[in-house]
Formats: sequence, structure tokens, C-alpha cells
Amino acid sequence: NAGVTQTPKFQVLKTGQSMTLQCAQDMNHNSMYWYRQDPGMGLRLIYYSASEGTTDKGEVPNGYNVSRLNKREFSLRLESAAPSQTSVYFCASSEYKDRGLADTQYFGPGTRLTVL
Amino acid sequence: KNEVEQSPQNLTAQEGEFITINCSYSVGISALHWLQQHPGGGIVSLFMLSSGKKKHGRLIATINIQEKHSSLHITASHPRDSAVYICAVREAQNNDMRFGAGTRLTVKP
Repeated sequence: NAGVTQTPKFQVLKTGQSMTLQCAQDMNHNSMYWYRQDPGMGLRLIYYSASEGTTDKGEVPNGYNVSRLNKREFSLRLESAAPSQTSVYFCASSEYKDRGLADTQYFGPGTRLTVL
Repeated sequence: KNEVEQSPQNLTAQEGEFITINCSYSVGISALHWLQQHPGGGIVSLFMLSSGKKKHGRLIATINIQEKHSSLHITASHPRDSAVYICAVREAQNNDMRFGAGTRLTVKP
């Protein structure tokens, strides 16, 4: 099992460019999450998906869109990147249909994004 | 102000020392989690607590619901314990998660 995989690991964008962060899990989990982590701050939930075809806004959804393509994949799209979106992005998955952390939540390795 | 506060922000210890990391929160919760973030960035769930105490190997987590406080203890610390430890709470009202900023632990040999 690969667990939760994310691509790319690193990305540099110019202001206004768009990109999609990819996330996939092979554990047959129902719930998937996108978080961002900024220095001195805790992880913040961007979007959450309880199942294929459903998504729900988290704490900081502005500037992002998501797509739950199937049970395995959950992508995060930045349509017009801004310097404020410079951050480390983590994808996670959980067996439970719940926007909160379950007993075991699995995180991907993270994507370090810089917007110039 | 963050709903979840951790202390200390940074902690350096010698191998073998007993480590305590503290977490205080200001909201009603249904559960509290401790996570470990490795230097490479990967995050691992360590514990989920709703009351009392849990132990896994050299790690012990306690929670006092009345005082809205949790501690993570590491006994006989080792350099491989060096990581950022994150406290997260699940709000009882809406199931939203609130994360602390983390405590960076460095254990020197």
C-alpha cells in the first residue's frame, strides 16, 4: 500500500497562474481532506469530501476549488494563484464519513507551493 | 487568538530525558488528537483522546476535560523522537478541527 500520495512535491508559480494539486489514496477510505500549513499557525482545513461527488468547504476555502473524481482521488485547484497561497499543502484520508479527524487519519507527504 | 495553544513552541532535550508538551484549548471538544510531523514533512496520528490517558510505547497522552488541557509525555527520549508535535481538537459543536501551531522537539545524542 502506498497510503496517501501527493503530486507534485514542490511547485513555484507566478501570480495569476493556475495549477492542480493531485492526491490519491489506496486504502478505500471514504473521507478525504485538503489542509494548508503556514509558519506559526496550525493546519487549516481548506475542503473536505465525505464521499465521491460530495465536497464541503472548510475554514479557508477562498481561492480554491476541489474535485472528488472517484473514491481514490481528490484534487485541489488554484485558478489564479496569489502570494498569500504560498504554503505547504497536505492531503489526508480517513475511513470515516466525518469532517473531523477520526481515530486514524493518514496524511500525504505534502506539497510545498511558492507563489511569486 | 488560536483556540488551541501549545507550549513550549520549541524544546531541546538530551537523549534519555523525560519530555512534556502541553496543549490548552478554549472550545468544547469531543476529542483531542496528538500528531507527529517528521522533519521531511509527513504527518502521523499518534493518539486520539476523549478522556483519561493513553500509552503507546514510550509515549503517554493525558487529558483533563475540566481544565481543557492535555499533555504529551515522552519517556527515555531518543534523537529519533525529534519532530514537530501537533495538538488538534475536534469541536463538539460542529465537528470542525482546530490545530495548534506545533511544538518543535529536538533531542540531542
